[in-house]
Amino acid sequence: GAGVSQSPRYKVAKRGQDVALRCDPISGHVSLFWYQQALGQGPEFLTYFQNEAQLDKSGLPSDRFFAERPEGSVSTLKIQRTQQEDSAVYLCASSFRQGGSPLHFGNGTRLTVT
Amino acid sequence: GIQVEQSPPDLILQEGANSTLRCNFSDSVNNLQWFHQNPWGQLINLFYIPSGTKQNGRLSATTVATERYSLLYISSSQTTDSGVYFCAVPFRNTDKLIFGTGTRLQVFP
Repeated sequence: GAGVSQSPRYKVAKRGQDVALRCDPISGHVSLFWYQQALGQGPEFLTYFQNEAQLDKSGLPSDRFFAERPEGSVSTLKIQRTQQEDSAVYLCASSFRQGGSPLHFGNGTRLTVT
Repeated sequence: GIQVEQSPPDLILQEGANSTLRCNFSDSVNNLQWFHQNPWGQLINLFYIPSGTKQNGRLSATTVATERYSLLYISSSQTTDSGVYFCAVPFRNTDKLIFGTGTRLQVFP
């Protein structure tokens, strides 16, 4: 596709529910990143993939957060047993190759946990 | 970890004015990127600039890696330039980008 596509655009979950957020990167992009952005803050790194390999998950806040990219293209970020502090915008980004190339972001998924 | 500080935190301009945004970082890096987040939340990559100077229309950026700073110049600002500008650098030269504190720009007609 022309850009990074994320769905859903908005998600409201009741505390304790599980959610799954989808990211479709730019075709041919090897690297895929997930970031979390709280209101008024800059994006904070969660995890990243090179093709299907998850190379760094040091930013995932807890073991309730899980990300996968099984075929090296589409990625899913799953949050189990959501809590209010999980409310944020979740941004997906992709880049053409590892080792430094411009990062391109999707529009994000705004998650609200009530 | 690496510290990335941006200044000023807030900037208010009238249409047509010029401005300079600054990004300071605490460790040596092998690349730096500038982003614009518009009022609808979309993050747009403006520059990938490890060193030197690049220009794109009314925007230009300069990175002086040896002195650990980068500057973003906006000339003849327009209301559509409003939003938050972030710089981002890699953590220990990995692919993991660390974002700066941001500069919020408001341009009024």
